[in-house]
Amino acid sequence: AQSVSQHNHHVILSEAASLELGCNYSYGGTVNLFWYVQYPGQHLQLLLKYFSGDPLVKGIKGFEAEFIKSKFSFNLRKPSVQWSDTAEYFCAVRLNSGYSTLTFGKGTMLLVSP
Amino acid sequence: DVKVTQSSRYLVKRTGEKVFLECVQDMDHENMFWYRQDPGLGLRLIYFSYDVKMKEKGDIPEGYSVSREKKERFSLILESASTNQTSMYLCASSTSWTNTGELFFGEGSRLTVL
Repeated sequence: AQSVSQHNHHVILSEAASLELGCNYSYGGTVNLFWYVQYPGQHLQLLLKYFSGDPLVKGIKGFEAEFIKSKFSFNLRKPSVQWSDTAEYFCAVRLNSGYSTLTFGKGTMLLVSP
Repeated sequence: DVKVTQSSRYLVKRTGEKVFLECVQDMDHENMFWYRQDPGLGLRLIYFSYDVKMKEKGDIPEGYSVSREKKERFSLILESASTNQTSMYLCASSTSWTNTGELFFGEGSRLTVL
């Protein structure tokens, strides 16, 4: 069965620390990859996406992610986090075929202390 | 701006009651989705619709049904609510099937079943 695995359920960082959130998926075939973010009290929103081309994609608020096909990974990174990055982050994957829907990981709650 | 509106932010219902959750999008999107979000479980797809009057089961459709009579409106129905349906319910929409990964989410409806 298709699945998406996020390595950490909770991450606590101090401001200015670097961030890397792991995401691995188990799918055969071509995939589209996404990171969504949910800030406290707000709706889920798209942070960045990968469909094809350059495997290093940049999103909003200084986030980036790298697609490594051989490792089935799509890790999210940010060089220096801010208190305002406190949120829950979800990795999501869909097969690039037919009526394929998004499968989400279980989420990583990031807490950034000032 | 894209807008997905869920009619109720908070609901409290009793076991056995019929529950309607309404969702309206104003973007003329073809696809609409209902997810439930539970701590530690991420988002799980209940049902989706790719056209008016069309519906497809997601990963956890048991105990739920949906209705899409108009393009902009997608309703989730709990025929007989149970305590294990206490959850946050998220509605989402997307433009077309080639773009189903880019979802626009509503604020969510938090349902408590007593």
